[in-house]
Amino acid sequence: DAGITQSPRHKVTETGTPVTLRCHQTENHRYMYWYRQDPGHGLRLIHYSYGVKDTDKGEVSDGYSVSRSKTEDFLLTLESATSSQTSVYFCAIASRGYEQYFGPGTRLTVT
Amino acid sequence: GQNIDQPTEMTATEGAIVQINCTYQTSGFNGLFWYQQHAGEAPTFLSYNVLDGLEEKGRFSSFLSRSKGYSYLLLKELQMKDSASYLCAVRAGRAAGNKLTFGGGTRVLVKP
Repeated sequence: DAGITQSPRHKVTETGTPVTLRCHQTENHRYMYWYRQDPGHGLRLIHYSYGVKDTDKGEVSDGYSVSRSKTEDFLLTLESATSSQTSVYFCAIASRGYEQYFGPGTRLTVT
Repeated sequence: GQNIDQPTEMTATEGAIVQINCTYQTSGFNGLFWYQQHAGEAPTFLSYNVLDGLEEKGRFSSFLSRSKGYSYLLLKELQMKDSASYLCAVRAGRAAGNKLTFGGGTRVLVKP
């Protein structure tokens, strides 16, 4: 299995608070991705990174920002959480653009 | 834009065969992936097709027709542990970050 972890695994927060999710890999892979998964919508890409300090938006990027200051870490930040951001968040990594390997996921609830 | 369609749910009997279809209309194509996802878990990679034809891997096979924008995943000799969601995903080219666009997933229920 690919060495990819996510933290926290579960979080409950209140509307309007900032939240940061962390994805950490030990594989030295170039590409990293953040997805959210909701019933009826499947997996949707939020942001992705193709190298240190190189990031780009996915299809549902509004309300989210990311940073990648080291190869191994990719952070997803919700500046001011809203109830519509309640979801399961998955991080994924890929080497040379081949198959993506997914982390265990973070279940976020915004009350 | 990207549009990927697959059935929402399928039911099959243990020991049988099930075929999950996926059709896609995408602005760029650089491969099609199938993932398996058990309830409450992360997706795991099953297969990858970039050229037309059939790829076989044990009990699982995946087929691709690029001209028809069509793929299927074939699961043979179904086992109870195969009850899961199966996700079809199309990859964009390197210039687009090798992004994957996923279909909504097909939930397969295997009955005894």
